[in-house]
Amino acid sequence: NAGVMQNPRHLVRRRGQEARLRCSPMKGHSHVYWYRQLPEEGLKFMVYLQKENIIDESGMPKERFSAEFPKEGPSILRIQQVVRGDSAAYFCASSNGVEQYFGPGTRLTVT
Amino acid sequence: GEDVEQSLFLSVREGDSSVINCTYTDSSSTYLYWYKQEPGAGLQLLTYIFSNMDMKQDQRLTVLLNKKDKHLSLRIADTQTGDSAIYFCAETVGSGGGADGLTFGKGTHLIIQP
Repeated sequence: NAGVMQNPRHLVRRRGQEARLRCSPMKGHSHVYWYRQLPEEGLKFMVYLQKENIIDESGMPKERFSAEFPKEGPSILRIQQVVRGDSAAYFCASSNGVEQYFGPGTRLTVT
Repeated sequence: GEDVEQSLFLSVREGDSSVINCTYTDSSSTYLYWYKQEPGAGLQLLTYIFSNMDMKQDQRLTVLLNKKDKHLSLRIADTQTGDSAIYFCAETVGSGGGADGLTFGKGTHLIIQP
């Protein structure tokens, strides 16, 4: 049973470009969560999704950030017009209840 | 509001027990978790405890929860070099039966001395 998969593992974008981060949950999991980790910081919750629904987006910045979890395919975190402050590790987790399992993360660098 | 606090560093000798502490502020926490992160890697779920429990043991790991003081600890028996990592405490708060987003502490760096 494969774990949570994220791609790409590393992503470099210039300021103003778009970043798309993908997450495939563990088989059988219907809950997906996105977190952001800044250097030397803990993880900050961004958004919680179930298939085709956003359940809680209280941690998402109001502008430029969006997330989806379509009926088919991976969950996508999209960051439009990236700025240097968006540089961070973005982790996805999946769950079917209490236990959240994390992917290896995508390290976004904005130059 | 939600807040989870941890000491930044803990240094122990190989073979000793490590005790990593965490405090939280939200009394309505439902589940509390411990995760391990090695350099450049994702988070590994170590264990978790439901808020109506006082203790949970799993092999070398013992979790103690003092709900009155809002204090959570993780004890690692017979600490080995492979235990060297950052340990995160996390809580979930809400009506989702544990399916809500997690609030993390900043992590405790566990350093093992030979």
